[in-house]
Amino acid sequence: DTEVTQTPKHLVMGMTNKKSLKCEQHMGHRAMYWYKQKAKKPPELMFVYSYEKLSINESVPSRFSPECPNSSLLNLHLHALQPEDSALYLCASSLSRTGDSGAHFGPGTRLLVL
Amino acid sequence: QKEVEQDPGPLSVPEGAIVSLNCTYSNSAFQYFMWYRQYSRKGPELLMYTYSSGNKEDGRFTAQVDKSSKYISLFIRDSQPSDSATYLCAAEYSSASKIIFGSGTRLSIRP
Repeated sequence: DTEVTQTPKHLVMGMTNKKSLKCEQHMGHRAMYWYKQKAKKPPELMFVYSYEKLSINESVPSRFSPECPNSSLLNLHLHALQPEDSALYLCASSLSRTGDSGAHFGPGTRLLVL
Repeated sequence: QKEVEQDPGPLSVPEGAIVSLNCTYSNSAFQYFMWYRQYSRKGPELLMYTYSSGNKEDGRFTAQVDKSSKYISLFIRDSQPSDSATYLCAAEYSSASKIIFGSGTRLSIRP
């Protein structure tokens, strides 16, 4: 299994809603990432979890809250978002037991904040 | 100056041509270099992953890294219309660290 799966595929939420994005990988990777991508721009790093511990937080606003329940799962909890947070949210994983071979991305969740 | 620079294109070539995509980077501490392909409204797909300088070949794709000139290249042989996508070069300092992306090059292969 070489896939990273993300749910939901699309999400529309109001500025007062609370929602969560979910990511799962079964490649035995020990690092997982959240990236944000705006149209016609490259992905921008938000968070990195390494061995289930938060290792990098790119000064992301607190309305985004990551969670890594176990080595296969990664969540991103959303609360009180702004319209400018509308974007494609990408999950990725890397760092297998045999060494690193690059980060594999999921298909993304397309988020629209109204 | 961006850490990884990439010409955004667009680049249009006829089917069957050899495509050359290039990036430069500024930080000599980068150790790992990647090329991703991204179709419209999809997540990036890892094409090539290389450590330090050298060449790596996978089917029609060849990646080159020249650390002395801080230059990253991707060559696509026998290009197909299905290769039409945005290609992103990327670099990182170490495993499980921040991946720095270039701005992406939009490639179109004309039938």
